[in-house]
Amino acid sequence: QVQLVESGGGVVQPGRSLRLSCAASGFTFSTYGMHWVRQTPGKGLEWVALISYAGSDKYHADSVKGRFTISRDNSKNTLYLQMNSLRAEDTAVYYCAKDRSGGGIGGMDVWGLGTTVTVSS
Amino acid sequence: QSVLTQPPSASGTPGQRVTISCSGSSSNIGDNNVHWYQHLPGTAPKLLIYINGQRPSGVPDRFSGSKSGTSASLAISGLQSEDEAEYYCATWDDSLNGQVFGGGTKLSVL
Repeated sequence: QVQLVESGGGVVQPGRSLRLSCAASGFTFSTYGMHWVRQTPGKGLEWVALISYAGSDKYHADSVKGRFTISRDNSKNTLYLQMNSLRAEDTAVYYCAKDRSGGGIGGMDVWGLGTTVTVSS
Repeated sequence: QSVLTQPPSASGTPGQRVTISCSGSSSNIGDNNVHWYQHLPGTAPKLLIYINGQRPSGVPDRFSGSKSGTSASLAISGLQSEDEAEYYCATWDDSLNGQVFGGGTKLSVL
């Protein structure tokens, strides 16, 4: 069945780095745009980043631009989020999501269960 | 503060019809398609409506979406207790060059 499984979350000190992974299965991963979306404690959903199906186009939210980088390995059916210079306000549950389109603006129709990142000293 | 404005809460009784609004601008809703998501605590968000008014397979026809100008709305008819959740609108913003979510609307079924 169509599935996304995130991993790589944990507790990290401010200023350190973490890399999240999202393993995809049950669909042709290389055909679809992919997103990272987060939910901070007690707040709503916040879009973090988008990568097009081939990885040629990448977009990041202003709140993470210059610190986070989205990437993908279509040969491994895996999406990544490299998070550097982490801040307390990056503490959140991070979801990966599949877009209905290759470009990434068709709506996110498959979501993982999320991985929790806690930034604390 | 999101560029898409939703009411923080909405409520209704079983069987009623409720509407959730999402207000934006010419750089987001006015120029792009709107999608709606349902999110229950501890679960993965679920796509309810895509491209303004399309329903993914498996989503009941009690859920409908529409868009006019720089605003969009989600309507839920025949309200059921399991509809109690947080609802988010989302679209692309040309100025921000990224996706944006509304602040979310917590729906209570009284």
